[in-house]
Amino acid sequence: DIQMTQSPVSLSASVGDRVTITCRTSQTISSHLNWYQHKPGTAPKLLIYSASTLQSGVPSRFIGSGSGTDYTLTISSLQPEDIATYYCQQTYSTSFPWTFGQGTKVEVK
Amino acid sequence: EVRLVQSGAEVKKPGESLKISCKGSGYTFNNYWIAWVRQLPGKGLEWMGIIYPGDSDTRYSPSFQDQVTISADKSISTAYLQWRSLEASDTAMFYCARHYSSSSGGDYWGQGTLVTVSS
Repeated sequence: DIQMTQSPVSLSASVGDRVTITCRTSQTISSHLNWYQHKPGTAPKLLIYSASTLQSGVPSRFIGSGSGTDYTLTISSLQPEDIATYYCQQTYSTSFPWTFGQGTKVEVK
Repeated sequence: EVRLVQSGAEVKKPGESLKISCKGSGYTFNNYWIAWVRQLPGKGLEWMGIIYPGDSDTRYSPSFQDQVTISADKSISTAYLQWRSLEASDTAMFYCARHYSSSSGGDYWGQGTLVTVSS
C-alpha cells in the first residue's frame, strides 16, 4: 500500500492568513493526488484533483501543487467558512487502496 | 443533476447482517467507479474499496477485505456495501463517492449512512 503522511494534524490561523498543508506519499504517484474539505455533518467535498486542478465551483483561494511524492494544499487567504478538516488522497491508477491522509483540522483564531 | 443517495441510518445488534445502498442518478452509472469510505466516530476517512458497475470489477483495501462485500446492480444504478456479521467496532458513518477515473477524484458523494451496532 502507498502510505500517506499529512501534516500538520491541526492548525489555527487568522482570517486572511496563508495556510499550507502538506502530504507526502511513500512512493511516486505521478500527481494522482486529491484534496478534500470535510465539515461535520456533511459529505466530503472535492477541492483539487490531479494535484493542481481546481474542481468546478471551488474558490480560487484553494491552490494545489506538487509532484512525485510531495504535495501541498494552500489556502491563500483563510476565510471563516474554511473551518474544516482537510484530507489528501492518492488515487494512483491500479495502486489500490486509494488511501487518505490522516487529515488536518483547520481552525480560525 | 448528479446525485448519490444513500440508504438511511441503521441500528443493528452484533452478529446481525446489513446491506446499505448508494443510488446514482443524473449520469451514466456504469461508467463511473463507486468507492466506499468509512469514518469512525471522531476519526479520519478510510478508503474501504471500490467497484466499477460496468463490469463489476471490485477492489478492496486489505484492511476491509473479507470484512465487507461491495456489489452493484447496474440495472437500478445502485451500489451496495454489506456485512455478514456486524461488530460494535463497525459503528461508523459510511460514504459512497463517484470517481470517473484515477485522475479525477471523488467528485460527488452520498450524504452518508450512519451505522450503529450495539447490543
